[in-house]
Amino acid sequence: AQKITQTQPGMFVQEKEAVTLDCTYDTSDPSYGLFWYKQPSSGEMIFLIYQGSYDQQNATEGRYSLNFQKARKSANLVISASQLGDSAMYFCAMRERMDSSYKLIFGSGTRLLVRP
Amino acid sequence: DAMVIQNPRYQVTQFGKPVTLSCSQTLNHNVMYWYQQKSSQAPKLLFHYYDKDFNNEADTPDNFQSRRPNTSFCFLDIRSPGLGDAAMYLCATSRDLSSEETQYFGPGTRLLVL
Repeated sequence: AQKITQTQPGMFVQEKEAVTLDCTYDTSDPSYGLFWYKQPSSGEMIFLIYQGSYDQQNATEGRYSLNFQKARKSANLVISASQLGDSAMYFCAMRERMDSSYKLIFGSGTRLLVRP
Repeated sequence: DAMVIQNPRYQVTQFGKPVTLSCSQTLNHNVMYWYQQKSSQAPKLLFHYYDKDFNNEADTPDNFQSRRPNTSFCFLDIRSPGLGDAAMYLCATSRDLSSEETQYFGPGTRLLVL
């Protein structure tokens, strides 16, 4: 079963506008972590933001915020004031207990293109 | 700045010729990971080291091996590369294995097999 689902293979956004990238997850573990990574065409995976399963407030990091809806099991990434440099692949990931340790499980990614 | 470094950024090898990719970190993290990422796919975990303890994923082919001689360095050895092994290889580190620990990735090595 798919653990992390990103339903948007590709998204467009106009420069300076906000965009929401969707992510839903599936786990029965009460303790888990949710992460978003950005991967530009150069290939490096850049950590953007983290949300813990017990965190009461939505995480924010500069122009990035995470809309965490625990009951719906969703962890959408909101990018405000999009910039041309935001064009990249975005991966949602969940750190979940598997066997004796926690492993990072990635979604299939969303490719974001920012239009000038 | 503390970071994860991968060398080389691009590697070309011949079919069947052993190749080694290297990763180093200045974060002093306990855990180092190797991922394989093929075009337009999510990264796939190959194995990880927690300190000197090696943990292999069940579906990682025997063709892939790893060494961690010290805290800072970790190597990925591909004993007999096939055309299907052409991919981006990403090294990552984390402080430990708990749910809230962030994994920090290096810039990756793109492997081309001729």
